[in-house]
Amino acid sequence: LAKTTQPISMDSYEGQEVNITCSHNNIATNDYITWYQQFPSQGPRFIIQGYKTKVTNEVASLFIPADRKSSTLSLPRVSLSDTAVYYCLVGDGGYSSASKIIFGSGTRLSIRP
Amino acid sequence: GAGVSQTPSNKVTEKGKYVELRCDPISGHTALYWYRQSLGQGPEFLIYFQGTGAADDSGLPNDRFFAVRPEGSVSTLKIQRTERGDSAVYLCASTPGLAGTNTGELFFGEGSRLTVL
Repeated sequence: LAKTTQPISMDSYEGQEVNITCSHNNIATNDYITWYQQFPSQGPRFIIQGYKTKVTNEVASLFIPADRKSSTLSLPRVSLSDTAVYYCLVGDGGYSSASKIIFGSGTRLSIRP
Repeated sequence: GAGVSQTPSNKVTEKGKYVELRCDPISGHTALYWYRQSLGQGPEFLIYFQGTGAADDSGLPNDRFFAVRPEGSVSTLKIQRTERGDSAVYLCASTPGLAGTNTGELFFGEGSRLTVL
C-alpha cells in the first residue's frame, strides 16, 4: 500500500481558500486517491475521490498532476464548520472489490473567524 | 438501517474484563471494516470482512482481539482480558464491497468509546 505524507496541521481564516497537499510517491497504476473529513466524536466522512486531473463536487476540488505523485484538496471559502481533520488515502478503492484501507495521521485544519 | 450503527456508544470496564462491541452495517453492504482510533491519531486498521469471512485481519494487535461476522451482516469485535492500552474509540465502516458496485467510499459509524480502568 502506498504511503501518504501530509502536513500535520494548517490554520486559515473564514472566507479563505484552503489547499491541503498530500504526497504519495509510490502510488500504483490502479490506485485511486481519496480524501476523508473527520469531526470530533464522529467517524470519518468521504469527501472526494479521483484518479487523475481534476475532480470537483459540491464540497471540494481535488487536483492531481500528471505524475500522480501528489494531490491537492482545495476547500473554497472555508467557514468555521470546516475545522476538522482531513485524511488523504491511496489505494485500490475504486470499482474493484473491497480491499484493506489504511489511514494516516491526517491534517488538522483550524479555521479562525 | 439508514447508516452504520455501533453499540454501545460508550463502554467503561475494568482491566482484565471481556468486552464485546457491535456493528450493524448499511443493509446490503458486503464489506465491513473495524478500526481503532486513539486521541490525536488517525484510524488504525484492525480487520475487514468480505461477507462472513475475514479477508484481512493483519491489524489485530494480538490474540486478545477477535472479530466475527457469522451471517455476513452484523459484526462483533471481541476483546479478552482488556488492558488500559486498549482504551480508544473503535470505529466500524461498511462499503458495498463487490466489484461493479464498490466506489471505494467507506461509510463510518459514530464509534464505540472504550475506557479500560
